[in-house]
Amino acid sequence: DAGITQSPRHKVTETGTPVTLRCHQTENHRYMYWYRQDPGHGLRLIHYSYGVKDTDKGEVSDGYSVSRSKTEDFLLTLESATSSQTSVYFCAIRGGAGAGDTQYFGPGTRLTVL
Amino acid sequence: AQSVTQLGSHVSVSEGALVLLRCNYSSSVPPYLFWYVQYPNQGLQLLLKYTSAATLVKGINGFEAEFKKSETSFHLTKPSAHMSDAAEYFCAVSGGRANSKLTFGKGITLSVRP
Repeated sequence: DAGITQSPRHKVTETGTPVTLRCHQTENHRYMYWYRQDPGHGLRLIHYSYGVKDTDKGEVSDGYSVSRSKTEDFLLTLESATSSQTSVYFCAIRGGAGAGDTQYFGPGTRLTVL
Repeated sequence: AQSVTQLGSHVSVSEGALVLLRCNYSSSVPPYLFWYVQYPNQGLQLLLKYTSAATLVKGINGFEAEFKKSETSFHLTKPSAHMSDAAEYFCAVSGGRANSKLTFGKGITLSVRP
């Protein structure tokens, strides 16, 4: 295992409430990513981080924000959850900046927005 | 810009038969290519990757893939399917520069019949 944990693993919430998902790594890797997985869409990048306090948007960032105050933690916040954000969320880490460096994935968080 | 096409969403084979999962990519720069496997209710695990060292890449669990630039393909094969190979498989492409992001295909579900 790549030393990545995600919490919570499952969450059910109501439309309009804020939700924060946590990704924690023990590898001291610089790069961290948040993806969502939906049937028929594969994985799509939400936000990523290339260092403490350094983050950038991915292709599906609307309605999401992130924060990284220390190397090991990368938080994903749904500011006001909507039913379209029901999904499985994966965190990934990568040690190097090279395009060939492997991303390692966490176990995922299944989020249901009612 | 980069993209991945995985034709079909489901492949079914008999145990012991050849497994062939197709992946075609588009990239404006020399690509790095990855195959990941996802077992039910788990995160993604790297099967193999192409980083320009050799066009035929061997991975875990008896899988291999061949990079064919002329066909812009990176198909995944395994000579003899096992029941434990039943999973979802994702092809992904990364560009050739530092800090490049992964772009995933939509995934293919592999079923193995006894």
